[in-house]
Amino acid sequence: GAVVSQHPSRVICKSGTSVKIECRSLDFQATTMFWYRQFPKQSLMLMATSNEGSKATYEQGVEKDKFLINHASLTLSTLTVTSAHPEDSSFYICSFKGDPTEAFFGQGTRLTVV
Amino acid sequence: AQKITQTQPGMFVQEKEAVTLDCTYDTSDPSYGLFWYKQPSSGEMIFLIYQGSYDEQNATEGRYSLNFQKARKSANLVISASQLGDSAMYFCAMREGRGTSYGKLTFGQGTILTVHP
Repeated sequence: GAVVSQHPSRVICKSGTSVKIECRSLDFQATTMFWYRQFPKQSLMLMATSNEGSKATYEQGVEKDKFLINHASLTLSTLTVTSAHPEDSSFYICSFKGDPTEAFFGQGTRLTVV
Repeated sequence: AQKITQTQPGMFVQEKEAVTLDCTYDTSDPSYGLFWYKQPSSGEMIFLIYQGSYDEQNATEGRYSLNFQKARKSANLVISASQLGDSAMYFCAMREGRGTSYGKLTFGQGTILTVHP
C-alpha cells in the first residue's frame, strides 16, 4: 500500500504557541486529504477535508481559524494548531484518499499542550 | 443519527480462540464501503479488511473475515485463532457514495480487544 509520512509523531508545546503537523505522501499524489482527531479511547472524528490548491472544508464545530490546513502540493498537507490550549491535546491523524477499497493513514501525532 | 455502531466497548478472548466484533451501520446510499482497522497503543491505523456494498462474497484476509449481512446492515469482524498481538482497539468504518466528500471515513466507537494467554 501507499506510504504516508506524518511528522512529528509526538509534540509537547506550551499553551498559547502554535504547532504545525505535516503529512506527506511518499509514493503517490493525492488531491484530497482528511484530518482526523482522536481523544483517548475514543473514536476518530473528521475535522476537515483538504483539497490541493483550494480552501479546506471543515466539519461542523471545528474552528477554521484555530486549525489551519494548507494543502499546497499533491504530496503535502499541513495542519497548524494555532494558540494551542490544553483542551487541544489530542491525537491527530491524516489520511489520503486512495482507491475505493483503501484509505492510507499517517502514523499520527500525539499533541500535548502544557 | 449514529452511522456506525460498535456496541462492544471491550471484548476478551482466549488465545487461539475465535472472536467476533460487532458492527452495524446506517446509510441510504446504495454504494458504500465498509472497513475494519486495528489501532494498537502506538496509534497507527492498520487496515485489516474491506467489504464493498456490491460485493456478494464475504471478504477474507488471512485470519480476518467479514460477516457481511446487508439486509441487517451489519458487518461483523471475525478473527480466527487469536494471538496475543491481536490485543488492540478495533474500529469499523464506512465510506459512502461519491462526490466531493467521497473518501472520508465515518468511524464507530471502537472495541478494545484483549487476548488472554
